[in-house]
Amino acid sequence: DTGVSQNPRHKITKRGQNVTFRCDPISEHNRLYWYRQTLGQGPEFLTYFQNEAQLEKSRLLSDRFSAERPKGSFSTLEIQRTEQGDSAMYLCASSLDFGLGGYTFGSGTRLTVV
Amino acid sequence: EDQVTQSPEALRLQEGESSSLNCSYTVSGLRGLFWYRQDPGKGPEFLFTLYSAGEEKEKERLKATLTKKESFLHITAPKPEDSATYLCAVQAWGKLIFGQGTTLQVKP
Repeated sequence: DTGVSQNPRHKITKRGQNVTFRCDPISEHNRLYWYRQTLGQGPEFLTYFQNEAQLEKSRLLSDRFSAERPKGSFSTLEIQRTEQGDSAMYLCASSLDFGLGGYTFGSGTRLTVV
Repeated sequence: EDQVTQSPEALRLQEGESSSLNCSYTVSGLRGLFWYRQDPGKGPEFLFTLYSAGEEKEKERLKATLTKKESFLHITAPKPEDSATYLCAVQAWGKLIFGQGTTLQVKP
């Protein structure tokens, strides 16, 4: 297994456009997490899935953000009507139940909204 | 509210100058405390997990310790390649809650 894979690595978009990111977790991991990280800050929790079920969404996650994990495999995070404040690194992580064995992170998708 | 605070925010050391990074936490029922290393433009890389007060783990020049209220990451005789941001996180309700990180710079 090559670990957690995220695509694209970088995305530049104009304000108001929609963007979608993809995360492929470690195959045997049933939990998948999305985090957002801005410069000089630690990762901030957005949402997580157990298999295909979305179990928790942060209060920080506005209605413009939606995440899916069809069939409990890869996940997508979509941001509609992007704003400059959405510029950040979006990180994906995966784990087994209750974080057993640890949480493995991908390399992230760097979003720049111009 | 579950919270993690790291100090200092930034630390500059000379090569070989040992020091410690602090992670203070408040969490309802600690299930695990995690340390990660993050290089610029990359995702966090796992270092250690600690589960109970008094536990210690070591890896090369790094040693992590845990008490009921805080964790320390001790760096012994650091090298320039140890320069990175070190993140502390607590496991709460199935997810990780991170501190803001400590950015370490080791000068040769």
